[in-house]
Amino acid sequence: ETGVTQTPRHLVMGMTNKKSLKCEQHLGHNAMYWYKQSAKKPLELMFVYNFKEQTENNSVPSRFSPECPNSSHLFLHLHTLQPEDSALYLCASSQGTGEREAFFGQGTRLTVV
Amino acid sequence: GENVGLHLPTLSVQEGDNSIINCAYSNSASDYFIWYKQESGKGPQFIIDIRSNMDKRQGQRVTVLLNKTVKHLSLQIAATQPGDSAVYFCAEKDTGFQKLVFGTGTRLLVSP
Repeated sequence: ETGVTQTPRHLVMGMTNKKSLKCEQHLGHNAMYWYKQSAKKPLELMFVYNFKEQTENNSVPSRFSPECPNSSHLFLHLHTLQPEDSALYLCASSQGTGEREAFFGQGTRLTVV
Repeated sequence: GENVGLHLPTLSVQEGDNSIINCAYSNSASDYFIWYKQESGKGPQFIIDIRSNMDKRQGQRVTVLLNKTVKHLSLQIAATQPGDSAVYFCAEKDTGFQKLVFGTGTRLLVSP
């Protein structure tokens, strides 16, 4: 248990659906991240939030919409996804965005059909 | 762009052996490096980190070596155990930016 909790653990959605991924951290961290992990690819950073402000959007398509209502919660809203968006979506948090390690949640395994 | 890569996709060792996992990086401005372990069905777990002003750091059964001259990072695991079987990722950060860049990972398989 890393202190970062993601729900749901698994999600299957159609291309016309709208769904949201949730992440919650209990570590008192002020930075939160969304990563995408595809098979045989490096983890890809999607978004960075620092003190609830988005500080990085790594050229992510607009069908992915993040929301950070407070430093402990992070959402990823999904709509009109494509099959190639199927992946493991990982949330992480850290104390600041400098020389500190990030703690990861277990991830949400997303399948788009 | 910059990239972090791993030399071997799979490393097989016997229980009790020492394991060495290697990583090459290309961003000479990177000043912070981390090794993560990812077991099946779990998110990456922090193992050990090292800052660029060091060339070696030891943890419990693990040692990270950093050679900035050749931009090489390695993770040594002493007396490898079956529970060490996982995918290991190196990651680098240029702390002037916020991105932690990950390599593709090496799968470590430990046989009894």
